[in-house]
Amino acid sequence: AQTVTQSQPEMSVQEAETVTLSCTYDTSESDYYLFWYKQPPSRQMILVIRQEAYKQQNATENRFSVNFQKAAKSFSLKISDSQLGDAAMYFCAYSDSGGGADGLTFGKGTHLIIQP
Amino acid sequence: DTAVSQTPKYLVTQMGNDKSIKCEQNLGHDTMYWYKQDSKKFLKIMFSYNNKELIINETVPNRFSPKSPDKAHLNLHINSLELGDSAVYFCASSRGPDEKQYFGPGTRLTVT
Repeated sequence: AQTVTQSQPEMSVQEAETVTLSCTYDTSESDYYLFWYKQPPSRQMILVIRQEAYKQQNATENRFSVNFQKAAKSFSLKISDSQLGDAAMYFCAYSDSGGGADGLTFGKGTHLIIQP
Repeated sequence: DTAVSQTPKYLVTQMGNDKSIKCEQNLGHDTMYWYKQDSKKFLKIMFSYNNKELIINETVPNRFSPKSPDKAHLNLHINSLELGDSAVYFCASSRGPDEKQYFGPGTRLTVT
């Protein structure tokens, strides 16, 4: 079974600074997808970024980028120019490819605090 | 327009009752899911439903049953509610199993 590990229960960063959230995963598959989801206090789950394992290029979305290291099974999220609205729980998630609808496997989350 | 909607958003009920949570998506997606988020914020897949194929997480008690009256709906029925069922339940949908999932706003279930 696949597992996702987020080793940082909580992180704090000053507004406008850069922060990196860690995620590692375990799988025997060669083709899969990785995601970062954000959950603000409103509890809405919002997709931040998606990475396809067969693509070597790291995904980016505006101030959000990932460092995907397939051999190390590492998928960290970098948030540049942190803003107060970035404060939330961040979940790393894994999904098999191959057409099976097994859903996402989530890590336990990292609570990100933005200091003004 | 709400992409994935759930009703109700809050549900308080007593142990032993049977309840349902409704989920509707207007995105034309083929795959729908139910997740449970516990008090420690841990999210876990319960069910996925794709082209009439239901995949059940083996840890889900059989008191929980999803029902799909049509492609746009995947409702969650829970029988004989227990205290441990208290959680936030999220519905999600995607165009296909490998695609981005869109989540509903969640339903906070409290069993007393």
